[in-house]
Amino acid sequence: QLQLQQSGPGLVKPSETLSLTCIVSDGSITRSNYFWVWIRQPPGKGLEWIGSIYNSGTTNDHPSLRSRVTISVDNSKNQFSLDLRSVTAADTAVYYCVRGTSSGYYTFFDSWGQGTLVTVSS
Amino acid sequence: DIQLTQSPSSLSASVGDRVNITCRASQDISIYLNWYQQKQGKAPRLLIYAASSLQGGVPSRFSGRGSGTDFTLTISSLQPEDFATYYCQQSYTALYTFGQGTKLEV
Repeated sequence: QLQLQQSGPGLVKPSETLSLTCIVSDGSITRSNYFWVWIRQPPGKGLEWIGSIYNSGTTNDHPSLRSRVTISVDNSKNQFSLDLRSVTAADTAVYYCVRGTSSGYYTFFDSWGQGTLVTVSS
Repeated sequence: DIQLTQSPSSLSASVGDRVNITCRASQDISIYLNWYQQKQGKAPRLLIYAASSLQGGVPSRFSGRGSGTDFTLTISSLQPEDFATYYCQQSYTALYTFGQGTKLEV
């Protein structure tokens, strides 16, 4: 049973970098039909896709965050990471690491981490 | 970006009711539409993918239909554990987007 275990600070100061890591428990991080995703949810609001990373190392980021986001993967540690630079209060949210699955032509998000509430405040 | 608009935004229902939640896309997305359930304080859970395929372990009272721009999630007979917020999500493009959510309340 896959578990996605997130870690990272719950409080980040404005203008600093938010860094989160997600460990993939079953070692499937290199399987070709999976990709790895970060999604966030501001308090009381809906879900926002941040970006994805594929086995090739290719990333795909939300245009509104692209200049501030880096998503990376470390296959040797079975983990992937999110860095979000120059944060403001608007980046306060629960951040989820997620497994994306490609099944034929279709993709969907079928395993989610527990979520990390990150508050941006001085 | 492909915009997804869900209706209603909130819905009051009772145990045993049949419930429909609609998701409308801003352009034709074929059947590249997924549905998630999120309970308070928890991560979302995949219910339906490719518009109508039931994810493993999801009760058969959940069903999805639609193609193009109009989609529906149906719960055939509401159970107490179904009171939650439901989101649609498109995977037609890799710039993934979600609907704003539908909160299902007693």
